Amino acid sequence: SQQGEEDPQALSIQEGENATMNCSYKTSINNLQWYRQNSGRGLVHLILIRSNEREKHSGRLRVTLDTSKKSSSLLITASRAADTASYFCATVVHNTDKLIFGTGTRLQVFP
Amino acid sequence: NAGVMQNPRHLVRRRGQEARLRCSPMKGHSHVYWYRQLPEEGLKFMVYLQKENIIDESGMPKERFSAEFPKEGPSILRIQQVVRGDSAAYFCASSPPGSSQETQYFGPGTRLLVL
Repeated sequence: SQQGEEDPQALSIQEGENATMNCSYKTSINNLQWYRQNSGRGLVHLILIRSNEREKHSGRLRVTLDTSKKSSSLLITASRAADTASYFCATVVHNTDKLIFGTGTRLQVFP
Repeated sequence: NAGVMQNPRHLVRRRGQEARLRCSPMKGHSHVYWYRQLPEEGLKFMVYLQKENIIDESGMPKERFSAEFPKEGPSILRIQQVVRGDSAAYFCASSPPGSSQETQYFGPGTRLLVL
């Protein structure tokens, strides 16, 4: 299976703390994307990092990419209760157009 | 600019019936993707279509499932003779021409329940 793995599977933190999620993948990629899914809803695109980039920031989000280890991390700083959701990484495999999703991290932020 | 629209949002079918799921991409988007999400799992790619063409159907089960994206109208994912294992959330995504490897914009999904 090409599906990536995410770690941890579930994470519970207090508001104001930082949340770090990790993603590993298996194949050569063009880019890696992070999505958020609130319970029972569709996916919202958060950030895209290309294979030649190592780090990217967007607001309270920081994404890193290590292509030698085939891994990425998503850091959410100063978390809020509204950040409670499942977070998925997705890779675009080289020479294809389909997204391969990881298994997801379920983040719970307590007020 | 309306987002990706899917209907119905919820669909209940009995075993053996047919399920038709519709997806209208964002305005100006000519690429449509279908994904399936089983409970507590990530999304799995099913099929990628452009207008009137199936580009990649490597994730689609060989039997009972079909997809189309006609010149006019929405994309349709059709499941014939549904079984309980087809119960899942089915998400459609779209992207503009020439950007299939960039961001895909997802619809709210259709939740299919097979009784």
